[in-house]
Amino acid sequence: DSGVTQTPKHLITATGQRVTLRCSPRSGDLSVYWYQQSLDQGLQFLIQYYNGEERAKGNILERFSAQQFPDLHSELNLSSLELGDSALYFCASSLAGTSYETQYFGPGTRLLVL
Amino acid sequence: TQLLEQSPQFLSIQEGENLTVYCNSSSVFSSLQWYRQEPGEGPVLLVTVVTGGEVKKLKRLTFQFGDARKDSSLHITAAQPGDTGLYLCAGGSDYKLSFGAGTTVTVRA
Repeated sequence: DSGVTQTPKHLITATGQRVTLRCSPRSGDLSVYWYQQSLDQGLQFLIQYYNGEERAKGNILERFSAQQFPDLHSELNLSSLELGDSALYFCASSLAGTSYETQYFGPGTRLLVL
Repeated sequence: TQLLEQSPQFLSIQEGENLTVYCNSSSVFSSLQWYRQEPGEGPVLLVTVVTGGEVKKLKRLTFQFGDARKDSSLHITAAQPGDTGLYLCAGGSDYKLSFGAGTTVTVRA
């Protein structure tokens, strides 16, 4: 158990819909990362937050947005969903958000868009 | 397009054999991490290397960071079925990690 929790574990929805994925980091970690993992693209970095502020952005679509709240939990919002958005979405956390640190990954949310 | 290229993509070996996985890039990274991911779970960090030429050993696993900090290798000695999984390398720069596509390792009993 990494100490990172993600909900829901599975999500099935239809094209055009909007969903929210939630992540609680490990106790004491200030930084949260979101990743998308699909069979053809591998593990892709989406976005990073540190102590409530956006710190780094990766290959995140404009239809996707995220935020980190004062209690440090984070949400990833996916809107106007397309079939190609079906993937595993991972949240990870680390203490200070540098690339040298261990990132602790949650169990992931499996999203299926029909 | 992956910033980090991993090879081979798949590796199936018999218990007791050795294996090496490679991670190559045209970019220089400030750090290189190796993760292992099992089906249905998130990746788990194995090691972080930060100095060019660095070699780290973790029981039967040996990790090497290239002198130019562009490539890395993971060598497993006397592989066991418990080593089965997806091995991912990740290059660190600024605050981001860029992951390779992974090498799926299967160790047959």
